[in-house]
Amino acid sequence: AQSVTQLDSQVPVFEEAPVELRCNYSSSVSVYLFWYVQYPNQGLQLLLKYLSGSTLVKGINGFEAEFNKSQTSFHLRKPSVHISDTAEYFCAVSVPGGGNKLTFGTGTQLKVEL
Amino acid sequence: KAGVTQTPRYLIKTRGQQVTLSCSPISGHRSVSWYQQTPGQGLQFLFEYFSETQRNKGNFPGRFSGRQFSNSRSEMNVSTLELGDSALYLCASAEGPTNEKLFFGSGTQLSVL
Repeated sequence: AQSVTQLDSQVPVFEEAPVELRCNYSSSVSVYLFWYVQYPNQGLQLLLKYLSGSTLVKGINGFEAEFNKSQTSFHLRKPSVHISDTAEYFCAVSVPGGGNKLTFGTGTQLKVEL
Repeated sequence: KAGVTQTPRYLIKTRGQQVTLSCSPISGHRSVSWYQQTPGQGLQFLFEYFSETQRNKGNFPGRFSGRQFSNSRSEMNVSTLELGDSALYLCASAEGPTNEKLFFGSGTQLSVL
């Protein structure tokens, strides 16, 4: 079975500051990794995903994440946040060939302040 | 293309009743998954259908069931509702059979009184 740990439930940050949202996973098999964002009263939207290849993955809205196999981490970063980035961010894993089933972390609420 | 459509948006039921939620995937998408989202448990996988076949099932009791029709539309049913079933139920569709980008609907907010 797979599990995902998001270490921070809330991250406050000032506008234009950099931010890192942490994600660690546990799995006995190789996994694919995803970050999704959920704005209030909406469904989830894919930010980026890692399937294979370069460990640095660039996504939408200026976000990027780095896969670190030895540390089983997939932290999300953005060099300069905007008020509109305020949302909940979910890290998730899936098993190659295992359908479209995702195992999600508990989420990190990013609050961008002026 | 239209996005994933879930109906109804809000639903209020009482304990013991049953409920059916509907999901229309993006045109051309053959995979439909369902997730339950609660403040305490977060996002939990319910089941996934691909071309009318259930391929994956989460750890939920048998009161939770689903199906997919030939046009890829999906329904999930919860029988004998319990207070703990109050949650946001999210549907997601994908084009291919595995590890695809999921497109989520806005969800159905179910309240059980």
